[in-house]
Amino acid sequence: GAVVSQHPSWVICKSGTSVKIECRSLDFQATTMFWYRQFPKQSLMLMATSNEGSKATYEQGVEKDKFLINHASLTLSTLTVTSAHPEDSSFYICSARDHTLSYNEQFFGPGTRLTVL
Amino acid sequence: AQKVTQAQTEISVVEKEDVTLDCVYETRDTTYYLFWYKQPPSGELVFLIRRNSFDEQNEISGRYSWNFQKSTSSFNFTITASQVVDSAVYFCAPTFRVQGGKLIFGQGTELSVKP
Repeated sequence: GAVVSQHPSWVICKSGTSVKIECRSLDFQATTMFWYRQFPKQSLMLMATSNEGSKATYEQGVEKDKFLINHASLTLSTLTVTSAHPEDSSFYICSARDHTLSYNEQFFGPGTRLTVL
Repeated sequence: AQKVTQAQTEISVVEKEDVTLDCVYETRDTTYYLFWYKQPPSGELVFLIRRNSFDEQNEISGRYSWNFQKSTSSFNFTITASQVVDSAVYFCAPTFRVQGGKLIFGQGTELSVKP
């Protein structure tokens, strides 16, 4: 149980284009999903918290107009990187929280490696 | 402020050696959870353990063991008889109620186990 998928697993795009990454909880409902970014040799940095049916909460320094998050259902959240630039190249990881559990455990997707040329 | 520190950036050991990865955190919360994750070269995070702040019993799972010392705010992780497959980056990540249960990731410790 508690499986989270991400699609695509990797993507290469040209500078200036937009890229959408999907995060799905496959066997549980996730009222809350999280989006992280990880640069090489660094830790995971939380970008935003996505709540089903409401606007995402962005961490300080993360541009909400550049990283659009939509959490339209209890099993799907999407992150769209708009007008991507080479500095947006990174490993993007989502996680989902099972709201039936009391201990705040997050279940992680396998990640999406974005390369912007 | 809530904070977590993994002071060891990189550790290199030879297979079959024991190795301990340190994790120290700061919080005024009395109720919190502590997690350890493994990130192999593939990138996917692997859950290792969850510990409630009220449960100070040490835990052993095969070659893995965890030492939780609430008095010193530490949650250290030991791998006994390390193997090459243990090579990965290991993250300690507490969640604190005052921060809405968000995972606070440490800097990570890159463990390299050589044959």
